[in-house]
Amino acid sequence: DAKTTQPPSMDCAEGRAANLPCNHSTISGNEYVYWYRQIHSQGPQYIIHGLKNNETNEMASLIITEDRKSSTLILPHATLRDTAVYYCIVSYSGSARQLTFGSGTQLTVLP
Amino acid sequence: SQTIHQWPATLVQPVGSPLSLECTVEGTSNPNLYWYRQAAGRGLQLLFYSVGIGQISSEVPQNLSASRPQDRQFILSSKKLLLSDSGFYLCAQRVNRTYNEQFFGPGTRLTVL
Repeated sequence: DAKTTQPPSMDCAEGRAANLPCNHSTISGNEYVYWYRQIHSQGPQYIIHGLKNNETNEMASLIITEDRKSSTLILPHATLRDTAVYYCIVSYSGSARQLTFGSGTQLTVLP
Repeated sequence: SQTIHQWPATLVQPVGSPLSLECTVEGTSNPNLYWYRQAAGRGLQLLFYSVGIGQISSEVPQNLSASRPQDRQFILSSKKLLLSDSGFYLCAQRVNRTYNEQFFGPGTRLTVL
């Protein structure tokens, strides 16, 4: 699976959009980009995934660049409960073994 | 919807003692199941995964083992715990057969003294 690079930490004001970047320059053509988050002392939670098109669900939006070498997770209106470690993961979808978690980005939403 | 039960929630064990952590899942039949460990201040490490009853794949060499005696039961064991086995143990279930969406349980926090 391709490796990803994320900033170790970010702050965001409550109510504002949080934009979390991820670099995955070695991604291959059939690898997907997945985002998970982990609130302190809980298990990770799936947020969203995409291949090459932008995606949106009730939690977030995922913007993938045209060359697929980077992506941005957008939380449109961050709340204090969005404070968590956010993981960007690149993985094939076919195999049972998957989801290699890196160190992620600690997002702190400030009041 | 998915539900994962893990017990115990917390555990304190002496070095050299045995370990048995249990995970049971509800929802999809014949799910792919996973054991992860998160050491303090570290990322998640995949320990084992299972695609069916009696089928276990180990990701890292260690003194832990896993078993899947029933379709929705996944057990993590050790004969003799080490200090380095301390951590947050998470069981997960693959919820989509096409994509790598996994649902995680509440976890067991293990402290080895």
